[in-house]
Amino acid sequence: DVKVTQSSRYLVKRTGEKVFLECVQDMDHENMFWYRQDPGLGLRLIYFSYDVKMKEKGDIPEGYSVSREKKERFSLILESASTNQTSMYLCASSLGQGIVGYTFGSGTRLTVV
Amino acid sequence: TQLLEQSPQFLSIQEGENLTVYCNSSSVFSSLQWYRQEPGEGPVLLVTVVTGGEVKKLKRLTFQFGDARKDSSLHITAAQPGDTGLYLCAGPLRGNNNDMRFGAGTRLTVKP
Repeated sequence: DVKVTQSSRYLVKRTGEKVFLECVQDMDHENMFWYRQDPGLGLRLIYFSYDVKMKEKGDIPEGYSVSREKKERFSLILESASTNQTSMYLCASSLGQGIVGYTFGSGTRLTVV
Repeated sequence: TQLLEQSPQFLSIQEGENLTVYCNSSSVFSSLQWYRQEPGEGPVLLVTVVTGGEVKKLKRLTFQFGDARKDSSLHITAAQPGDTGLYLCAGPLRGNNNDMRFGAGTRLTVKP
């Protein structure tokens, strides 16, 4: 069964910490995405990548960075975690071409205290 | 403001009832997708609509893409408790699939 795996389901971090969220897909997909999901706001795109070592900013990139050193892995980095980054983080992947759906991971619920 | 506005935000109905939820935008989309998300899981793709006026059926779910490709609807016939979840619509901002934007969703609860 094809899969997008996020390394942690729940994470609690302190304000100011550097936080790494990891995502791995086994479908050989070119595109990978990071969203955050907040009640009433839906999914908001943070960053995405359409190739190894490539990245593009989404709608809310401030306070985040990403890394894609290998095709199957896309990491989201919170440089200095703040309480307003408490959220559900969802990773997704998709094929590079055509109208295809996203495959999502189960999410990481991050709490910054 | 959201690029894709979904209504209603919450819907609670009894098993067996019919319902329709909506996804609207002022922008034209090359395609729209519908996803369902259950608690503790990521969204799962239900359908993609591409052509204006297109209607797609998935068992008791009927999806329609507006003629002008600015809106879509999801109709569920004889809802069941297993239909409970968050229904999200999504569309590509730039005409390809590299940056989909999502609505805030309709949270549906079907009571037995």
